[in-house]
Amino acid sequence: EAGVTQFPSHSVIEKGQTVTLRCDPISGHDNLYWYRRVMGKEIKFLLHFVKESKQDESGMPNNRFLAERTGGTYSTLKVQPAELEDSGVYFCASSRDITGELFFGEGSRLTVL
Amino acid sequence: RKEVEQDPGPFNVPEGATVAFNCTYSNSASQSFFWYRQDCRKEPKLLMSVYSSGNEDGRFTAQLNRASQYISLLIRDSKLSDSATYLCVVNEGTYKYIFGTGTRLKVLA
Repeated sequence: EAGVTQFPSHSVIEKGQTVTLRCDPISGHDNLYWYRRVMGKEIKFLLHFVKESKQDESGMPNNRFLAERTGGTYSTLKVQPAELEDSGVYFCASSRDITGELFFGEGSRLTVL
Repeated sequence: RKEVEQDPGPFNVPEGATVAFNCTYSNSASQSFFWYRQDCRKEPKLLMSVYSSGNEDGRFTAQLNRASQYISLLIRDSKLSDSATYLCVVNEGTYKYIFGTGTRLKVLA
């Protein structure tokens, strides 16, 4: 069974540019999460999808971040325009149910110069 | 106060040593608890869930103390391959998983 896959693994962009991160969850996992780890800090919740519906996006830093999950399959997280403080590792995770094991992707490392 | 607190370490221990990590959480209504392991520049992976009665998996033992709101992880007979960051994760009964900052362990030859 394929795990959670994320693309790109690393992105280096300049301040003001746009980046789109993609996540393919494990097949059959309705729950999809985005998390972010900024250097030296804990992994923090960004948002949660159940199928194609956003359940909670309270962790999204601001309106420069937009997440979608078309058709309840893969998800994208767009940052536009990117700022220096957006640098970090963006993890996607999926789970079959909401209180069980989270399966993580390898993360997308974003560096904003 | 952070929702989930861990000693960041690093803990440097010799091979064969026993090492224990603690984690405290602030929400008394939290319902499920986990230890994840994260290797350098890799994703977190579930090490073990933590049950109320305590549980053991080989060299690893996890315990939960609800009254004091802390979770522990004990690693016996440490191996070089145990070197990693150990993340305490708490679920409050919803989809929200709260992560600690992690405790770094380095097992020395």
